[in-house]
Amino acid sequence: AQSVTQLGSHVSVSEGALVLLRCNYSSSVPPYLFWYVQYPNQGLQLLLKYTSAATLVKGINGFEAEFKKSETSFHLTKPSAHMRDAAEYFCAVRRGGSNYKLTFGKGTLLTVNP
Amino acid sequence: DTEVTQTPKHLVMGMTNKKSLKCEQHMGHRAMYWYKQKAKKPPELMFVYSYEKLSINESVPSRFSPECPNSSLLNLHLHALQPEDSALYLCASSQEAGLGSSYNEQFFGPGTRLTVL
Repeated sequence: AQSVTQLGSHVSVSEGALVLLRCNYSSSVPPYLFWYVQYPNQGLQLLLKYTSAATLVKGINGFEAEFKKSETSFHLTKPSAHMRDAAEYFCAVRRGGSNYKLTFGKGTLLTVNP
Repeated sequence: DTEVTQTPKHLVMGMTNKKSLKCEQHMGHRAMYWYKQKAKKPPELMFVYSYEKLSINESVPSRFSPECPNSSLLNLHLHALQPEDSALYLCASSQEAGLGSSYNEQFFGPGTRLTVL
């Protein structure tokens, strides 16, 4: 079964610092990977998705992620954190074909300190 | 319109009540989903509708009853719930999930915060 592991349930950075949120996947076939963000008391918003067109994927709000097959990783980064980036971040994997199911990681809470 | 709407935003109900959650999208998506999310946990899939037919039921108790009246609407009927059913209920939609649509992302609504007393 496909799964994702998010390393670190809580990451704290200073405003202006690099954000790095880690996600590793397990998959025997090419995965379809997603990063979602959830602000307090809101639904999930898609940040970016891996489509196999490029290993470096750019998303919204200045986030990007790099797919590394050799490391089975899809880490999320942002060069400079803003206070508004404070939220819960979920990595998710979806099997291809007719399978609808998204499998989420446990989430990483990002706090940004002034 | 790239939005999934959900009503109500908050719902408090007793264990003997019957209530419904509503979800609507006008993006022409043919797959719609219900998720349950407990605090500090990822969303858990409950049901999937594809072309208005129930495609997946993740062994959800029968006190939750989904309904898809048309391609834009998705309901979740609630009856005789338990306090442990208190959670954020999220609706999502995607273009479709058949062959050739593997990358189609799911668009989420803002959720309904349900409290069962």
